Amino acid sequence: DAKTTQPNSMESNEEEPVHLPCNHSTISGTDYIHWYRQLPSQGPEYVIHGLTSNVNNRMASLAIAEDRKSSTLILHRATLRDAAVYYCILANFGNEKLTFGTGTRLTIIP
Amino acid sequence: DSGVTQTPKHLITATGQRVTLRCSPRSGDLSVYWYQQSLDQGLQFLIQYYNGEERAKGNILERFSAQQFPDLHSELNLSSLELGDSALYFCASSEGTVRNGYTFGSGTRLTVV
Repeated sequence: DAKTTQPNSMESNEEEPVHLPCNHSTISGTDYIHWYRQLPSQGPEYVIHGLTSNVNNRMASLAIAEDRKSSTLILHRATLRDAAVYYCILANFGNEKLTFGTGTRLTIIP
Repeated sequence: DSGVTQTPKHLITATGQRVTLRCSPRSGDLSVYWYQQSLDQGLQFLIQYYNGEERAKGNILERFSAQQFPDLHSELNLSSLELGDSALYFCASSEGTVRNGYTFGSGTRLTVV
């Protein structure tokens, strides 16, 4: 499985944008970049995913580097409810299982 | 409600016993994935089924087995339970490709005493 690297933890102030980085230098051309988050004692929640182009949805934006070796999850205006562990995962056709790493624990400061 | 239903939410059982966890995938999804999350470990992939057939296997113990039925619901069977099997067990479903996001259930918390 292609590996991703994320910072163990990050802090952000409430109502400010948050940029969560992910490195995936060994990404293959057919790997999709998926982001999930997990709140305490809850199941992971889908946030966003993409292949090559930047993506936006109601929850977040995903910025993918031109060489695809890194990506950034952007929360435009953090709220206390965004405090969670965020996972960046690569998934491929024929290997659709999601392999979770340790993720980034995001703390939101009121 | 994510659309993926897991039952029961909580389960307390004794060592050596056998339990069955159930998962109903989101409507239209053909793939089901099972994950285990212990306190001291992250989310560990156990097994994937696609339209009734096993598609991928992770670090699933021989004491554990799973199946997916014709109506696409899935069951995870855990037998000869040990204290170390105490964990949260999550089920996820997807259409079966990586082109779309996966949906997770709220999990079953298993406590082995």
